[in-house]
Amino acid sequence: EAAVTQSPRSKVAVTGGKVTLSCHQTNNHDYMYWYRQDTGHGLRLIHYSYVADSTEKGDIPDGYKASRPSQENFSLILELASLSQTAVYFCASSDGDWVYEQYFGPGTRLTVL
Amino acid sequence: GEQVEQLPSSLIVQEGASVLINCSYTDSASVYFPWYKQEPGKRLQFIIDIRSNMERKQTQRLTLLFDKKTKHLSLHITATQPGDSAIYFCSASMRWSGTYQRFGTGTKLQVVP
Repeated sequence: EAAVTQSPRSKVAVTGGKVTLSCHQTNNHDYMYWYRQDTGHGLRLIHYSYVADSTEKGDIPDGYKASRPSQENFSLILELASLSQTAVYFCASSDGDWVYEQYFGPGTRLTVL
Repeated sequence: GEQVEQLPSSLIVQEGASVLINCSYTDSASVYFPWYKQEPGKRLQFIIDIRSNMERKQTQRLTLLFDKKTKHLSLHITATQPGDSAIYFCSASMRWSGTYQRFGTGTKLQVVP
């Protein structure tokens, strides 16, 4: 039973448009993360959250906002999508902080045209 | 900040062979090292981890070795199967990095019959 789900699974957006990627977890985890994966790169952290109604910046937050309205839900928002934001986006959750493995969603393939 | 490197970037082996994936990191403050596997088109999946107070960890066909002095890890996979074909990611977490892990660029393994 998939415990971390993402929607949509793929999306085509226009440059300058607004994009919202959603993540839902049923692991009862406090920590949630958004990563992007580009060809030839590992995963890079965009935003994370350790409690509802609070988000923190990761390594590459520019151009992205995050929202954590509840423990189960974590959204990534691209207010003005750009070509450089074409990537695969992964959401993850973990039971605690940096000393626990993360559980990943299936990914969202975003193409910005 | 912490840099995580993996070598090789890709390799092809015959079924039944053993493989070695190397990972190095830069910051001596890193203390937790989970590894993940990503099969084509699928989510990242945790496979094994090690903490800095350990030198070796084994689970089934996976053996993870850790050398704190050289800041180096190596993942050994024995008796490879086609189902082992995936991208393998090393990651590192620092004691005071906040709450996230930094990922390597991945090693693409292809196991051919």
